[in-house]
This record gives sequence, C-alpha cells and structure tokens, in this order.
Amino acid sequence: NAGVMQNPRHLVRRRGQEARLRCSPMKGHSHVYWYRQLPEEGLKFMVYLQKENIIDESGMPKERFSAEFPKEGPSILRIQQVVRGDSAAYFCASSPRRDPSYEQYFGPGTRLTVT
Amino acid sequence: GNSVTQMEGPVTLSEEAFLTINCTYTATGYPSLFWYVQYPGEGLQLLLKATKADDKGSNKGFEATYRKETTSFHLEKGSVQVSDSAVYFCALSSYGGSQGNLIFGKGTKLSVKP
Repeated sequence: NAGVMQNPRHLVRRRGQEARLRCSPMKGHSHVYWYRQLPEEGLKFMVYLQKENIIDESGMPKERFSAEFPKEGPSILRIQQVVRGDSAAYFCASSPRRDPSYEQYFGPGTRLTVT
Repeated sequence: GNSVTQMEGPVTLSEEAFLTINCTYTATGYPSLFWYVQYPGEGLQLLLKATKADDKGSNKGFEATYRKETTSFHLEKGSVQVSDSAVYFCALSSYGGSQGNLIFGKGTKLSVKP
C-alpha cells in the first residue's frame, strides 16, 4: 500500500509566479490535511478537505492561497503570485476518518523556494 | 484556544543516555496526544499516541503517558541511539470545531553522538 505521495519534492518559483503542489492520499483515505512548516518552526494547519469539499480552511491565508480535492485525482494546493514569505515546506496528510484519535499519515513534503 | 508547548532544543546526548522531552498542552475536553518524528528531508512519522487520560503510548523504546492532571505528555527513552537523531514534535487533536486538525509544538531537535 503506497503511502501519501507529494510532488514535486522541491519547487523553485520567482516572485509573482504560481506554485501548484500536489498530494495523493493513501488508498482508501478521503480526508486530506495541508500543513505548512516555516523554517525553524513547527507545522501549522492550513486546510482540511474531503472529496470535492473544503471543510475547514481556517488556517489558510485569505489571499492568494486555494485548495481543492476533486473527485478524481490528487489534492492541489495552489499559491498565486508567490512572495518570499511563502518559502516553506508544505506537507499533506491523509486519514481514513475525521477523528482526533486516528493517526494522520504524512507525505514527504514539497519544499518551496521563492527567489 | 488549544496549544502545545514543548521544550526548546537542540538537545545533544551521548549514545545510551536517557532522554526526556517535555510537552505540555492546553485544550478543552479530552484531546488525543501524539508524538511525531521527522528525519532530515522527510515527512513526519507517527512515533506513538495516547487517546485518553493515563494511557501510555510506546514504540521503539520510546514512551509517553497522558497526564491530564498536569496536562503533560512527556517523551522518554531509556537509552538513545545515534539513529534516534531527528526532530520530535508533540501534537494534539481534539473534538469540536477544528476536529481532527493537528496542533503541533515547535519541535525539539535531538542529536545523539556516538
């Protein structure tokens, strides 16, 4: 059973460009979470999605950031007009249920560098 | 709101030393508590968890006990190895409006020297 997959692993963008980060959850998991890890900091929740629905986006900046999890295909985190402060590692995690007692399985992350 | 505080690193130990990484939390209700480990360049892996008071999670020689009276979930290992060098994150997840979302501490970097 393949784990959570993310691509690309590394992404370099110039200021003003768009970044698209992809996440394929574990087979059978329909709950996806995105987290951001800024340098020397812990992970911060951004958004929680189920298939075709954004359930909780309370941790996502209101401007320039969006997320989706279509019926078919991976979940996408999209950052428009990137700025240097967006440089971070972005992790997605999946879970079989939205239950606090359940483990979340993390992908290897996408490390975004904005130049 | 809910929060997690863990001891600042880095922590440097010699092989076979005893390890404690302190973690305390603030939460309403009865959260689940987790320790995740992150090796260089990788994602997070669950190390252990506890879902109710007085539960002890254990894995690979690591242990942590869910102490509701002190709101703590300290990570311990009796004899660390070089291969334990990593960043350790304490986290909680609770019921309610942000159900299931993990709240992390800032992480503690552990270096074990041979």
